Amino acid sequence: GENVEQHPSTLSVQEGDSAVIKCTYSDSASNYFPWYKQELGKGPQLIIDIRSNVGEKKDQRIAVTLNKTAKHFSLHITETQPEDSAVYFCAASIKALFGNEKLTFGTGTRLTIIP
Amino acid sequence: DSGVTQTPKHLITATGQRVTLRCSPRSGDLSVYWYQQSLDQGLQFLIQYYNGEERAKGNILERFSAQQFPDLHSELNLSSLELGDSALYFCASSVALGTADYGYTFGSGTRLTVV
Repeated sequence: GENVEQHPSTLSVQEGDSAVIKCTYSDSASNYFPWYKQELGKGPQLIIDIRSNVGEKKDQRIAVTLNKTAKHFSLHITETQPEDSAVYFCAASIKALFGNEKLTFGTGTRLTIIP
Repeated sequence: DSGVTQTPKHLITATGQRVTLRCSPRSGDLSVYWYQQSLDQGLQFLIQYYNGEERAKGNILERFSAQQFPDLHSELNLSSLELGDSALYFCASSVALGTADYGYTFGSGTRLTVV
């Protein structure tokens, strides 16, 4: 099955600086890579996703890049704000005959923005 | 409100007891996924149901079982509870064909505390 590794486990950045979280996956059949943000006491929420036919995707201050050859993908947050403090999870999903299989999640990154 | 409803939000019970967690997926979503999140841990996949049938199984203990009913709500039953079962239990539903092609929508979780 798929295995997803995520680094770092904790990350502290000064407000206004950029944050980068990296993930690697093991199965080359994976073709869908979402990122989730989990705030304290809440369920994870999808913030951005990317598919294997795209190398980069942006949505305002967040962007995701994908390197299929190296089997890794990254989340970039620019101009960080206090409300970006949360736990972020990457995930991967394998393309199957009748649609993608379940998501396999990374272990999470606790991001703290220092005012 | 994500549209995925989980009840109860909090549950405190004693070791050896049995509990039932309930999940109602977003309207129209056919697949339900259950995940366990222990303290400072990632999201561990337990089981998936699609339109009433078990679709995929993860590291779910034999003491745990689940089902999905004709109205598509799902229940996760945990029996002979141990202290180590204390965790957040999340339910998620997936859009489009009941697969993971477009990610999940998570509920807000049930926090189970076994004392």
